[in-house]
Amino acid sequence: QVTLKESGPTLVKPTQTLTLTCSFSGFSLTTIGVGVGWIRQPPGKALEWLALIYWDDDKRYSSSLESRLTITRDTSKNQVVLTMTNMDPVDTGTYYCARRLQESGRYYNFDYWGQGILVTVSS
Amino acid sequence: DIVMTQTPLSLSVTPGQPATIFCKSSQSLLYSDGKTYLHWYLQKPGQSPQLLIYEVSNRFSGVPDRFSGSGSGTDFTLKISRVEAEDVGVYYCMQSSQLRTFGQGTKVEIK
Repeated sequence: QVTLKESGPTLVKPTQTLTLTCSFSGFSLTTIGVGVGWIRQPPGKALEWLALIYWDDDKRYSSSLESRLTITRDTSKNQVVLTMTNMDPVDTGTYYCARRLQESGRYYNFDYWGQGILVTVSS
Repeated sequence: DIVMTQTPLSLSVTPGQPATIFCKSSQSLLYSDGKTYLHWYLQKPGQSPQLLIYEVSNRFSGVPDRFSGSGSGTDFTLKISRVEAEDVGVYYCMQSSQLRTFGQGTKVEIK
């Protein structure tokens, strides 16, 4: 059974750094074809992809946010960590992590999602 | 960056009637491996998004066959053959041919 769960602070101050952790089970981030990504959603707005880390530790970032983002993994703990620097009120929203799977020639982008964590940026 | 544009932004449908959502990309999503990486998601009220369609036209596990996807290049369509009450929510297309980009979403409600 595949599960993902986001954790971290729900309130951060402007200019602070946000650190979110995605803890997952039911799959391994060392299996070829597997990745874990982060997606966010401001209240009442659309989804926005942020970052993705692959089984081989390759990483991809949103062009518009790349300078502020870092994605890392701890395969021993089955966790993926996203850090976002210089937080601003416009970064307020729900942050999701989700699995990406390549299997038998098929690419399942974000087939399983966490429940999301609402992060508010306010002084 | 690839921009994804969905139309319409909202849709009100009578149960049992069909619904169609369009998604257009700013450049072709045909990848060098010959595949097209366009996917559809549904976010039901108060829930996380769920994968409906992957690689243009493949239904994900458990997705009813009233959902179908089609298209190529820059133009894609999601069709619901007979809308049911449980289909309400916001539908998003997403491309993964070059990084990833979501469309702005299409809200589907029942009349």
